[in-house]
Amino acid sequence: KNEVEQSPQNLTAQEGEFITINCSYSVGISALHWLQQHPGGGIVSLFMLSSGKKKHGRLIATINIQEKHSSLHITASHPRDSAVYICAVRSSGGSNYKLTFGKGTLLTVNP
Amino acid sequence: DTAVSQTPKYLVTQMGNDKSIKCEQNLGHDTMYWYKQDSKKFLKIMFSYNNKELIINETVPNRFSPKSPDKAHLNLHINSLELGDSAVYFCASSQASTKQFFGPGTRLTVL
Repeated sequence: KNEVEQSPQNLTAQEGEFITINCSYSVGISALHWLQQHPGGGIVSLFMLSSGKKKHGRLIATINIQEKHSSLHITASHPRDSAVYICAVRSSGGSNYKLTFGKGTLLTVNP
Repeated sequence: DTAVSQTPKYLVTQMGNDKSIKCEQNLGHDTMYWYKQDSKKFLKIMFSYNNKELIINETVPNRFSPKSPDKAHLNLHINSLELGDSAVYFCASSQASTKQFFGPGTRLTVL
């Protein structure tokens, strides 16, 4: 079982819908990252968080350390949000630099 | 202004050959990484250097050797290429263990 589990694996939505992608992890962490990988392959870091909630434009990331769970929300989704969204965690033990990745959630937003 | 650049973008080569992928960052970061993304799009850390010192060395065949001539560069040399080495290799950088910035990736195809 992977240390980082994401759900759903695939998600299709209509433009304008509210999107939620979930990430659960099984280890103690010092930080959690949300990444976006576009169809062209480029990877962009969206958020790094260790508690609470962060917001950037239409994107919101939350984390519950006690429940070992994070969510990424997209409000008013748009076709340009179509991408793979990847959750990654930095363990609190071992190397402080190592990220362990989930398998990603493929989001398709239809016009 | 490219923050993290990799060359080449595509690399097609025969089994048994030796090849190198170069990575450069102009962000002034002190930590650089190499990741491998397999055909199922799963990202995995290979190596990380902090201030030219190797700090992460995952279970990677010793045919893979990273080299960091200075803080801004981290190159990946692969000896005796095998079919299973075909993947997309991403370089990334960060300041300490903060948010990571990714290069565009190098798609390696071994024939």
